Amino acid sequence: EAQVTQNPRYLITVTGKKLTVTCSQNMNHEYMSWYRQDPGLGLRQIYYSMNVEVTDKGDVPEGYKVSRKEKRNFPLILESPSPNQTSLYFCASGLNTEAFFGQGTRLTVV
Amino acid sequence: DAKTTQPTSMDCAEGRAANLPCNHSTISGNEYVYWYRQIHSQGPQYIIHGLKNNETNEMASLIITEDRKSSTLILPHATLRDTAVYYCIVRVEHSWGKLQFGAGTQVVVTP
Repeated sequence: EAQVTQNPRYLITVTGKKLTVTCSQNMNHEYMSWYRQDPGLGLRQIYYSMNVEVTDKGDVPEGYKVSRKEKRNFPLILESPSPNQTSLYFCASGLNTEAFFGQGTRLTVV
Repeated sequence: DAKTTQPTSMDCAEGRAANLPCNHSTISGNEYVYWYRQIHSQGPQYIIHGLKNNETNEMASLIITEDRKSSTLILPHATLRDTAVYYCIVRVEHSWGKLQFGAGTQVVVTP
């Protein structure tokens, strides 16, 4: 089954403790992207990647890192999480015309 | 990518057609109109896209005006499961990069 898989689905962490949210797709898509969604602010793009070793900033990249060492994986790294990064995160991948989204990761930073 | 304007919300009775408008007056000649929807807290889901001809698939129909400055997504027989936020996006086909979602239209289908 074609899918984008994010892990974990839910995470509560403390300020400053490094964490990684993984994203994996099994569709051989070149394009992958991360979004965060906050009430009243909609979906905002954090980073995107057009192919292996090619990444670029979206609209809200501050406080985040990504890597694309292989086509199927696009992890989102929070080196020093802060409470303002509490949000719902979505990973997406795309080929040609359509983007596929993961089921989301709800992150709480206390 | 061109900006889009959508109504904030709309209601629809179950079983009736839902017509969702979108204005994209600054659309370029090579930009397509895409529609996605997001059911509460789930990842957005692709619905349909088109350039200038009307399009139909198993989920919906897309009507694009001749001048391409606006479009309408039609859900022919709305069900309660169609309650979602619907996003209209314009972008160049096959051109990935900054894919930006606006506020969308909150559609509530009522029994």
